[in-house]
Amino acid sequence: AQKITQTQPGMFVQEKEAVTLDCTYDTSDQSYGLFWYKQPSSGEMIFLIYQGSYDEQNATEGRYSLNFQKARKSANLVISASQLGDSAMYFCAMRVHNTGRRALTFGSGTRLQVQP
Amino acid sequence: DGGITQSPKYLFRKEGQNVTLSCEQNLNHDAMYWYRQDPGQGLRLIYYSQIVNDFQKGDIAEGYSVSREKKESFPLTVTSAQKNPTAFYLCASNPGLGRYQETQYFGPGTRLLVL
Repeated sequence: AQKITQTQPGMFVQEKEAVTLDCTYDTSDQSYGLFWYKQPSSGEMIFLIYQGSYDEQNATEGRYSLNFQKARKSANLVISASQLGDSAMYFCAMRVHNTGRRALTFGSGTRLQVQP
Repeated sequence: DGGITQSPKYLFRKEGQNVTLSCEQNLNHDAMYWYRQDPGQGLRLIYYSQIVNDFQKGDIAEGYSVSREKKESFPLTVTSAQKNPTAFYLCASNPGLGRYQETQYFGPGTRLLVL
């Protein structure tokens, strides 16, 4: 079974500063994908970034980057130059490839609050 | 515009009543999913469908049913057997092709409340 752990229920960051949201995962499979989603107060889940287990480079998408440490089984999200609009819940998720199940397993989330 | 729509935005259920949540996508995605989110928690998988006329139970399927008669549509019925249905329900789909083939794209969600 797969498991995602997000140990930070809440985080605060000053506007324009960088912040790291932690995510560790547990799987015995070698082939998997890792995702980060943002959920603002409206409720919709917004895809941010994806990292494949065999990708050699850390994924980046604009101000978002994923610090992927395979040996540690961690996939931390780094948001640079935080903006007030970044205040939201952030979820880490995983999909293991070598199963018939294509659904994602989610962590419990981290609430980020950006302060002016 | 392409996307996933869910309706209604809010839904109220009386005791013993079945209710159906709609999910429609015009992204031409094969796979569709239903998740449940309780306050302050992550998402849990209810049902998923990888192809028309086929679907599988997720982790918390009891008290729910689905159908997949069309590629675009994946409605979820919350039956009277679901004793604690109050939650936020999210529908998702994924393209199955390209670099982001596994990425799931979500609808805006439906909030279900019990009267």
